[in-house]
Amino acid sequence: DAKTTQPNSMESNEEEPVHLPCNHSTISGTDYIHWYRQLPSQGPEYVIHGLTSNVNNRMASLAIAEDRKSSTLILHRATLRDAAVYYCIPALSNFGNEKLTFGTGTRLTIIP
Amino acid sequence: DAGVIQSPRHEVTEMGQEVTLRCKPISGHNSLFWYRQTMMRGLELLIYFNNNVPIDDSGMPEDRFSAKMPNASFSTLKIQPSEPRDSAVYFCASSLARPEGEQYFGPGTRLTVT
Repeated sequence: DAKTTQPNSMESNEEEPVHLPCNHSTISGTDYIHWYRQLPSQGPEYVIHGLTSNVNNRMASLAIAEDRKSSTLILHRATLRDAAVYYCIPALSNFGNEKLTFGTGTRLTIIP
Repeated sequence: DAGVIQSPRHEVTEMGQEVTLRCKPISGHNSLFWYRQTMMRGLELLIYFNNNVPIDDSGMPEDRFSAKMPNASFSTLKIQPSEPRDSAVYFCASSLARPEGEQYFGPGTRLTVT
C-alpha cells in the first residue's frame, strides 16, 4: 500500500475555500486516489476519486500533481457541515472492491 | 434509499459472551465490507464479500471473529467469545462493483465489552 502523509489538522473560515493536501510519493501507476471524510459520530463518506486528471463533482475538486506524488482536495466554499476528518487513500481500482486503507487523516475545523 | 442499515447501534456485553452484529447493504449493491475503528488502530478493513462470497478476510483479527453473508441483503459479523479489546465501532459498507463504485458506509455499531 502506498504511504500517505496528511496534516493532522487544519482550520478554515466558513464560506472560504479549503485546500487539503496529501503526499503519496510511493503511489503505484495503477492506484487511484480516493478521498473520504468522516463527520463526527458517523461512518465515512465518499468524497471524490481520480487517477491522473483533475476531477470535479458536486462536493469537491481533486487536483492531482503531474507526477502523481501528491494531490489536493479543494472545498470551494466551506460550510460548518464540512467539519470532518478527511482521508486520502491511494488504492488499486477494483471496480468498487478497493481495499481502502484509512490513515489518520486531516481533522478540518470550520470557524464560523 | 435507506442507505446501509446496521443493528444494533449500541451493544454492551460482558467478556466471554457471543456478539452478533448485523448489516443490510444498499439494495442492488454486490460488494459488502466490514471495518473496525478504534482510537489506537484507526479504521481497518476486516473482511469483504463480492456477490455473497468472502474475497479477502486477511484483516479478521483471529478465529474468534467470523462473518457470513447468506444472501445479497444481509450479513453478520460474530465475535465468540468477546473480549474487552474488541470494544470498537464496527462499520459495514456496501458498493456496486463498477469503475465508479464508491463505498457507502452505515452508521456503525458501537460495541463495548466489559
